[in-house]
Amino acid sequence: NAGVMQNPRHLVRRRGQEARLRCSPMKGHSHVYWYRQLPEEGLKFMVYLQKENIIDESGMPKERFSAEFPKEGPSILRIQQVVRGDSAAYFCASSRSGTGGSGGNQPQHFGDGTRLSIL
Amino acid sequence: AQTVTQSQPEMSVQEAETVTLSCTYDTSENNYYLFWYKQPPSRQMILVIRQEAYKQQNATENRFSVNFQKAAKSFSLKISDSQLGDTAMYFCAFMKQGGADGLTFGKGTHLIIQP
Repeated sequence: NAGVMQNPRHLVRRRGQEARLRCSPMKGHSHVYWYRQLPEEGLKFMVYLQKENIIDESGMPKERFSAEFPKEGPSILRIQQVVRGDSAAYFCASSRSGTGGSGGNQPQHFGDGTRLSIL
Repeated sequence: AQTVTQSQPEMSVQEAETVTLSCTYDTSENNYYLFWYKQPPSRQMILVIRQEAYKQQNATENRFSVNFQKAAKSFSLKISDSQLGDTAMYFCAFMKQGGADGLTFGKGTHLIIQP
């Protein structure tokens, strides 16, 4: 009964390269959330997706960041032209569909995160 | 927008003692959920306990219990009979009904259990 799977666990990129972070939700979960954790900080919400739809991206930086959750395959968080400030741990969480089709009343289960380091 | 405040950056207690971690929040929502997550040195995020705002009864999970005071917007976590494995960062989190804009986390409390 696999949990939320994130890969890679560690990712090193040079400034200007692209980073792709993958998240496979738990079986039966159709809601995916991405969070970013800077050192010594709590997690900050980035984006909430359901299959093929972005529901809320109010926490996403306006440029260079994008996310998708296709009908088939994992959710992808993509960071283009990375800069040093993008270095952080990126966590994905998933939940079941709750009342009214939202994930709001269902607990979120987290993956182990991807540590992104920018050289 | 909602905010979550954890006023204790670090706490240290002896094994087997009881410890309470404090959390306050601010929101204009009436229906919401509150959570405590644990992040051990392995960096996993582990759900400890969950409370629905419409429930008056405080949630309990084995040695973990909460004191939820809705009017005061307070949500403290009590850990009884603390164990060495409880050493971790503890994050209080808020989510409004519907789940849009995800969880809002506090900055965390680093709990150290001394042998």
